Order: sequence, then C-alpha cells, then structure tokens
Amino acid sequence: NAGVTQTPKFQVLKTGQSMTLQCAQDMNHEYMSWYRQDPGMGLRLIHYSVGAGITDQGEVPNGYNVSRSTTEDFPLRLLSAAPSQTSVYFCASSYGPIYSGNTIYFGEGSWLTVV
Amino acid sequence: DAKTTQPNSMESNEEEPVHLPCNHSTISGTDYIHWYRQLPSQGPEYVIHGLTSNVNNRMASLAIAEDRKSSTLILHRATLRDAAVYYCILRGDSGTYKYIFGTGTRLKVLA
Repeated sequence: NAGVTQTPKFQVLKTGQSMTLQCAQDMNHEYMSWYRQDPGMGLRLIHYSVGAGITDQGEVPNGYNVSRSTTEDFPLRLLSAAPSQTSVYFCASSYGPIYSGNTIYFGEGSWLTVV
Repeated sequence: DAKTTQPNSMESNEEEPVHLPCNHSTISGTDYIHWYRQLPSQGPEYVIHGLTSNVNNRMASLAIAEDRKSSTLILHRATLRDAAVYYCILRGDSGTYKYIFGTGTRLKVLA
C-alpha cells in the first residue's frame, strides 16, 4: 500500500514551458485535491475532484488544469509556467468528504522552480 | 465560507502540555473539525478530528467547545519532534466538498 504518490519530487522549468505533475493513490479514494504552498505560507487549494470525471476549482486555479479519468490518478498540468508558480505542490486524497469525518492523506510534495 | 483563526506562533517547553486554540465561529452544524500538522519539508499529516465531544488518541486530545465555535488541540507532553505547523481545518464552503487550510500555528518546542 503506497498511499499517495507524487512525481516528480523536484523539477526546474523555464518560463513558458508546460509540464504535468503526477499524483496517484492506491486506496480507492474518491476525493483528490492539489495544493500549493509558497515559502512560509499555508496550503492553498488549486483544484479538487470528488470522483472520476468530476473536477472543480479551488482558491487559486489560474494557470493550472486538471482531469480525473480514473479513480487512482489526478494529474495537475501547468499550461505555461511562470516564476509565480514556483512553489511546493501537494496532492491529497480521502475516501469521502472531510466534513463527514474522513481522513486526508497527503503525498510527499513536488518542489517546482520556474526560472 | 467557513473560516478558521489560529495564532501565528506559540512556544512551549519540552515535556510540558501545549494548548493550541482554533476559532471557527462559522462552522456548519454537522461538520467535523480536523487538525493536521506539517513537519519541516514534509506533507501535512493527520493528528485528530472530532464532531462534538472531546476526543483522544495516542498523539493528542481535542477539546471542542459546547457551541462548537472553537476547539483546542492538546499535546500532553510536548517533545522536540512536535515542533511543526498545526492546522485546524474545516469545509470551505457550505454545500461543497472542498476544505481550506488556514495559515496555521507554528509551534516551537524549547529544550
């Protein structure tokens, strides 16, 4: 049982490049989400999904796309990287909604630098 | 939006109890209150959650006010490994599934 797996762990991009951060979970969780964390700051929600084929925007969705074609995977795409997207990205999953008492599981993070 | 308010930072001496407060005056009536913590350079990890009554587990205790507008995470004997940022988390918007992290409380444990 691997939990939530994020790849890559570290990445350097040039401004304007695109890339995809991968997130996979093997716990059959319906709920998945992406957060970014800037230095010294809390986590901000980018996008989330409540099941395959269903996604919605969080607090800071601009510049990012997501899709959820399977229960296991929830990739985050940066369309045209900007220095402002330099951050640590965390993927999370849970069996059900947090307000019903479900526990969230986080990946180890992906450190992204845009130069 | 449901919103949480936590002190930016707190300090504690090692082996002493720590009480970390969270104000959530706009919480919906049936939403659970969750606490997570983030150690340096790691993803957040679960600490405890509760609905109405006080909760205990091997890591901590959670005391929830009777009106549910505030809660307190209690670490009974702080250790150096408990130095982390502690987040109190609720559902972001009533009627949605997203949950929002606040800025959290940075706990410093003094040896």
